[in-house]
Amino acid sequence: GESVGLHLPTLSVQEGDNSIINCAYSNSASDYFIWYKQESGKGPQFIIDIRSNMDKRQGQRVTVLLNKTVKHLSLQIAATQPGDSAVYFCAENGETSGSRLTFGEGTQLTVNP
Amino acid sequence: EAQVTQNPRYLITVTGKKLTVTCSQNMNHEYMSWYRQDPGLGLRQIYYSMNVEVTDKGDVPEGYKVSRKEKRNFPLILESPSPNQTSLYFCASSLGGSNQPQHFGDGTRLSIL
Repeated sequence: GESVGLHLPTLSVQEGDNSIINCAYSNSASDYFIWYKQESGKGPQFIIDIRSNMDKRQGQRVTVLLNKTVKHLSLQIAATQPGDSAVYFCAENGETSGSRLTFGEGTQLTVNP
Repeated sequence: EAQVTQNPRYLITVTGKKLTVTCSQNMNHEYMSWYRQDPGLGLRQIYYSMNVEVTDKGDVPEGYKVSRKEKRNFPLILESPSPNQTSLYFCASSLGGSNQPQHFGDGTRLSIL
């Protein structure tokens, strides 16, 4: 069946280091992928997205990499800051109708000062 | 300010007592969606709406109803709540579908006793 999952449920890094959060998906028909950040007591916030016709996209301090061959998605955060501590979710849109989004279980990122 | 507003933020109620969680967005978005978030299961889609008077089931629609009479509002209705519907609920909206970034509300925590 379709699934989106994360390799590591928790990740702890030092302030200033780079962070890499991984995500695996199983639906080869997925054409849109997105990363969200969720802080405690808040709703998910959009970070960055990527479509299946790309393999890399950069934002401010964040980069998303998409490897369609092995169905793998990653989020890289450069110079991680304490404010980056949160749960990060990947999600995929597995239907071409653009109507449904499937989320992974989330990775808790902790940034140590 | 662009936002998705959910009410109430917290509710404790009893089995069988009908309740409605309201959701309103001020961004003129066409797409709206409801999710529930449970530990270890991530975010799961309950219902979504592509436009006014158009609603469809997500992954976990049982026990829920929705309506979309106006573009800005997308209420979630629990006709006869049960304890397994105790969860954290999020409403989200996007301009044109789940293949575009969704804006999330801050969540509604429901406890069904």
